[in-house]
Amino acid sequence: QVQLVESGGGVVQPGRSLRLSCATSGFMFSNYGMHWVRQAPGKGLEWVAVIWYDGSTDYYADSVKGRFTISRDNSKNTLYLQMNSLRADDTAVYYCARDRERLSPRYYFGFWGQGTLVTVSS
Amino acid sequence: DIQMTQSPSSLSASVGDRVTITCRASQDISNSLAWYQQKPGKAPKLLLYAASRLESGVPSRFSGSGSGTDYTLTISSLQPEDFATYYCHHLDTFGQGTKVEIK
Repeated sequence: QVQLVESGGGVVQPGRSLRLSCATSGFMFSNYGMHWVRQAPGKGLEWVAVIWYDGSTDYYADSVKGRFTISRDNSKNTLYLQMNSLRADDTAVYYCARDRERLSPRYYFGFWGQGTLVTVSS
Repeated sequence: DIQMTQSPSSLSASVGDRVTITCRASQDISNSLAWYQQKPGKAPKLLLYAASRLESGVPSRFSGSGSGTDYTLTISSLQPEDFATYYCHHLDTFGQGTKVEIK
């Protein structure tokens, strides 16, 4: 069965960096676009970034552009999110999500991890 | 950027009620819309995609319709396990969410 397991969250000071990982299993990772979606405490969902199945293309929400980098290692079936220059408003549960469709993503999030909490606070 | 406006933001309903949630896009999104259900402390779950296609394993009491800018999620007969928050979603934008509570 498809599994997505995030890790790397925690408490970090403003301006510092953090890298999240999403370990996957149960499907051909190299065939699917992958996303990060976040949810601030008590708030709605916010799409963060997407990376194509082969890593050739990525896009970011304006709120994180220039600070966050999405990447993947298809040999390790793992997705990453490098977060730099963190701010208080980056505090959220971060979910990785697999696109429902193979190859080019359609932005239908068919599978989700359990989420990892990132708290940015001094 | 396309804006997604979801309504209502919350509603109270009883088991067995028919529930309708609407989502309006700021421009034509050509049925490129998904609906998710989220329960407290859990990840969202995909219910419908391409506006009206039911995801595998999702009960048939959930249905989606619409075209152009206006879309609807309908729960034909609300069940106890359906009390949750529902989100519409187009590409990089989610609606604000609709919390369905017990009356």
